[in-house]
Amino acid sequence: GNSVTQMEGPVTLSEEAFLTINCTYTATGYPSLFWYVQYPGEGLQLLLKATKADDKGSNKGFEATYRKETTSFHLEKGSVQVSDSAVYFCALSASLSGSARQLTFGSGTQLTVLP
Amino acid sequence: NAGVTQTPKFQVLKTGQSMTLQCAQDMNHEYMSWYRQDPGMGLRLIHYSVGAGITDQGEVPNGYNVSRSTTEDFPLRLLSAAPSQTSVYFCASRFTGVTEAFFGQGTRLTVV
Repeated sequence: GNSVTQMEGPVTLSEEAFLTINCTYTATGYPSLFWYVQYPGEGLQLLLKATKADDKGSNKGFEATYRKETTSFHLEKGSVQVSDSAVYFCALSASLSGSARQLTFGSGTQLTVLP
Repeated sequence: NAGVTQTPKFQVLKTGQSMTLQCAQDMNHEYMSWYRQDPGMGLRLIHYSVGAGITDQGEVPNGYNVSRSTTEDFPLRLLSAAPSQTSVYFCASRFTGVTEAFFGQGTRLTVV
């Protein structure tokens, strides 16, 4: 089956620090990859996505590159802000046995940015 | 647009009680789904629907029922609540294919 393994948290950084959250996946076929963000008390929001190998997704200063050779989709940001404090989920979208494509999520990484 | 609306936001049930979590979307999305979020486990798919009248099981369907009589609504029914169903429940919707999923704000359910 499909699975996503995410760097365990929590992660605590100072403002303007560099962020990396590791994500690797196992999937059959050609999955699409996503990062979702969950702010306190809210539902998940799409942060960025990549639909094929070597694609780079980017949004709000965050980036992730779809690496098929290492089955990875690591999230990076060069300079984090306090407002980036949230839980980040790596996810893949793939079809199982011809059924509708499903989202499979990692366990989430709690990020806290201190001023 | 309201997006995906879930009600209630919070609920406390006694073991054995039944209830329905409501989910409605106004984006004409074909695909709707229910997830539960538990600490350290991410989101796990309970049930999903690819259109009105069509539903299917996800990873953790036991103890839950769904129906999809309209495109807009996708209620989740707990038949006989158990403490193991204490969780945060999220409804999501999207167009079919590789598109962004939109999530509701969640329902925090406690079963005592």
